[in-house]
Amino acid sequence: GESVGLHLPTLSVQEGDNSIINCAYSNSASDYFIWYKQESGKGPQFIIDIRSNMDKRQGQRVTVLLNKTVKHLSLQIAATQPGDSAVYFCAETTGGGADGLTFGKGTHLIIQP
Amino acid sequence: EPEVTQTPSHQVTQMGQEVILRCVPISNHLYFYWYRQILGQKVEFLVSFYNNEISEKSEIFDDQFSVERPDGSNFTLKIRSTKLEDSAMYFCASSQGLVGYTFGSGTRLTVV
Repeated sequence: GESVGLHLPTLSVQEGDNSIINCAYSNSASDYFIWYKQESGKGPQFIIDIRSNMDKRQGQRVTVLLNKTVKHLSLQIAATQPGDSAVYFCAETTGGGADGLTFGKGTHLIIQP
Repeated sequence: EPEVTQTPSHQVTQMGQEVILRCVPISNHLYFYWYRQILGQKVEFLVSFYNNEISEKSEIFDDQFSVERPDGSNFTLKIRSTKLEDSAMYFCASSQGLVGYTFGSGTRLTVV
């Protein structure tokens, strides 16, 4: 059988409800953060980003909140749809592009019909 | 919408063999990356590449690995003498600095 991997936290919400996914990041020097969505068998898909000089940024149905004091990032998804079911990762980095992204452990979001 | 293209989508190789994973980054991007995701785990950074040389690499990226941009469009990851634990999804990504950080769909490498 397949090896046991990291057990992902799971968040199950009803279709149409709002969801909040949380992430604690580790590097206080990180100045750029991205939320990615990953569907089974696919690569990470960009959702929204935020720089460290901001504490909130809104997109279409999504909002990212950044609390640098406690090194916490959250992703709010409004009016969830079945297509939102996926694993969501936060990622952090420093620098202008040369540094790689450090990904969090991921949260599995399940949208119940 | 511009895409990062990876080939092949699935590669099976025997332990000890060399593999080359291929990527075509987005054409006007300047930074290129390789990441690895072992089944069920988080995505891990391997290497970044800028101006025809390695910018940063993680501790995973040891002498077994190398990257190359052989022409103006392709970006490759070579894994020498593959081991069973190299089995993973390998993702290529490209960006314009931090803007437009885009991942490909990945190559699933299975070492048998």
